[in-house]
Amino acid sequence: EPEVTQTPSHQVTQMGQEVILRCVPISNHLYFYWYRQILGQKVEFLVSFYNNEISEKSEIFDDQFSVERPDGSNFTLKIRSTKLEDSAMYFCASSENRGGRAADTQYFGPGTRLTVL
Amino acid sequence: LAKTTQPISMDSYEGQEVNITCSHNNIATNDYITWYQQFPSQGPRFIIQGYKTKVTNEVASLFIPADRKSSTLSLPRVSLSDTAVYYCLVASGYSSASKIIFGSGTRLSIRP
Repeated sequence: EPEVTQTPSHQVTQMGQEVILRCVPISNHLYFYWYRQILGQKVEFLVSFYNNEISEKSEIFDDQFSVERPDGSNFTLKIRSTKLEDSAMYFCASSENRGGRAADTQYFGPGTRLTVL
Repeated sequence: LAKTTQPISMDSYEGQEVNITCSHNNIATNDYITWYQQFPSQGPRFIIQGYKTKVTNEVASLFIPADRKSSTLSLPRVSLSDTAVYYCLVASGYSSASKIIFGSGTRLSIRP
């Protein structure tokens, strides 16, 4: 069964450093997403991406965040200058292109645990 | 967006049927009801989606009454591996993807 993959599984970084989290969505999917989950809290939407541009973003997704699809398979989330409060699990997800509707089934990756020291 | 309300936690035993009910009083005509499962340190996993009446797949059943103001996820004969957090989501078939809101979910604990 096709699945979303993410690397690395765990990233430790110093405050102020840049990190890039990588995702390989399911190959025939065209809508991509990033979510984060701070330990013990809810899964929060960050951004959706379609046709090489951001479709929608939440208020969490400020100027320190960016997303990119550098090639035909990878989808990345960059955090320019990490803060302690960026420590969380970051999940990538993808869905088939049915207009990116909220009712579309999203397939989540296993997550990257980001620890900012 | 329709707000959902579900129990914070539930306990059951192996082999039992577990029913988790979600309330969504303000559900709109175009809204679908979707359930996800999340194990610790893993991403949410789609379980089932429905619009009305009953939907069944190899994992679960979803019961939706005629007024659609609630839904019940039914897990037949649970095992220890069903211990997880279960999220009920209500999302429009027409709004953008960002409108998926994960609530606190129901933490289901299965005991031997």
